[in-house]
Amino acid sequence: AQSVTQLGSHVSVSEGALVLLRCNYSSSVPPYLFWYVQYPNQGLQLLLKYTSAATLVKGINGFEAEFKKSETSFHLTKPSAHMSDAAEYFCAVSDRVQGAQKLVFGQGTRLTINP
Amino acid sequence: KAGVTQTPRYLIKTRGQQVTLSCSPISGHRSVSWYQQTPGQGLQFLFEYFSETQRNKGNFPGRFSGRQFSNSRSEMNVSTLELGDSALYLCASSLDGPNTEAFFGQGTRLTVV
Repeated sequence: AQSVTQLGSHVSVSEGALVLLRCNYSSSVPPYLFWYVQYPNQGLQLLLKYTSAATLVKGINGFEAEFKKSETSFHLTKPSAHMSDAAEYFCAVSDRVQGAQKLVFGQGTRLTINP
Repeated sequence: KAGVTQTPRYLIKTRGQQVTLSCSPISGHRSVSWYQQTPGQGLQFLFEYFSETQRNKGNFPGRFSGRQFSNSRSEMNVSTLELGDSALYLCASSLDGPNTEAFFGQGTRLTVV
């Protein structure tokens, strides 16, 4: 079974600082990986996805992630944090079961931005 | 293009009752998945429907069930509610395929008292 682990349930950075949210995956096949963001009382919104076309993936709101097979990682970064980035972030892997659409999520990382 | 719509947004039910949640997917999306989100267990997959057929089911008791209609709208039902069923229930729709984006609704917040 495929799985993801997010290191750090809470991350706090200053406005303008680098954001780094860590995600490691476990998969026996080439994975499809996703980062989602969730704002309070909202559903999940896709930030970016990795589908093997390129190892560096650019997403919305200035976020990007790099797929590193040797490290089984897919860390999310943003060069300069903005107050509006405060939210919970989820890394997910697509678990290919008989063609079904099923996402396996990490436990989430709550990002706090300090002014 | 309208997004995924979940109704109702909030529900309060009494232990032992049953509840039905509704999800209208994005037009053209035939895959609908349901997830339960709780502070302790995080996001957990409940089941996925495609063309009215359940293709996969998560590790939840039989009290949790679902169905999908010919217009791709989906419902999930929880019978004999327990306090532990209190959660945010999220529905997602997508085109078929494991690398396609899942679009999520805003969820239904269920509180069992």
